[in-house]
Amino acid sequence: GESVGLHLPTLSVQEGDNSIINCAYSNSASDYFIWYKQESGKGPQFIIDIRSNMDKRQGQRVTVLLNKTVKHLSLQIAATQPGDSAVYFCAENNLPGNTGKLIFGQGTTLQVKP
Amino acid sequence: DTGVSQDPRHKITKRGQNVTFRCDPISEHNRLYWYRQTLGQGPEFLTYFQNEAQLEKSRLLSDRFSAERPKGSFSTLEIQRTEQGDSAMYLCASSLLGQGGGYTFGSGTRLTVV
Repeated sequence: GESVGLHLPTLSVQEGDNSIINCAYSNSASDYFIWYKQESGKGPQFIIDIRSNMDKRQGQRVTVLLNKTVKHLSLQIAATQPGDSAVYFCAENNLPGNTGKLIFGQGTTLQVKP
Repeated sequence: DTGVSQDPRHKITKRGQNVTFRCDPISEHNRLYWYRQTLGQGPEFLTYFQNEAQLEKSRLLSDRFSAERPKGSFSTLEIQRTEQGDSAMYLCASSLLGQGGGYTFGSGTRLTVV
């Protein structure tokens, strides 16, 4: 069925290290993926997106990698900072006609140790 | 424009009461979405509008739930005869059809049914 999942519920990293958060999706028809960051008491905040015709996209300190062969998505955060501590969700849009409905995974909690 | 606004931020209600939440999207966004999020989970899609038309409703949206977007601007989500299982964060998001960058989420309305 349709599902988006994350490999690890919690990731703990040292400040300054790079972080990698992984996500697996099940529907090979998915064509648009987004990473969101959610801090406590707030709504999800857009980080970066990628379409299925790309395998890599870079933003400021973040990189998203898409491997369609194994249906895997990852978010890399360079030089992780305490302000990066949050829950990270991947989401996919896998419906024809770009209905805009996103399916979210359960999330990975990123803890940054000073 | 300060983003997506939701009101109220918190609502405590007794089981069996009706509640209504409001969402004001980003003014130029023609799509508006409602999601529900329970603790430790990713947001779950409830319904979405394109302008004033409600285009899709999730099976999660029982007949006790109704959403409107009468003028294609703000939206309301009403829950009738609330149950304890309705306790969750209700998130609203908006987007502009055809534009990338994901959705912009509001901070949500936290509903507690006692």
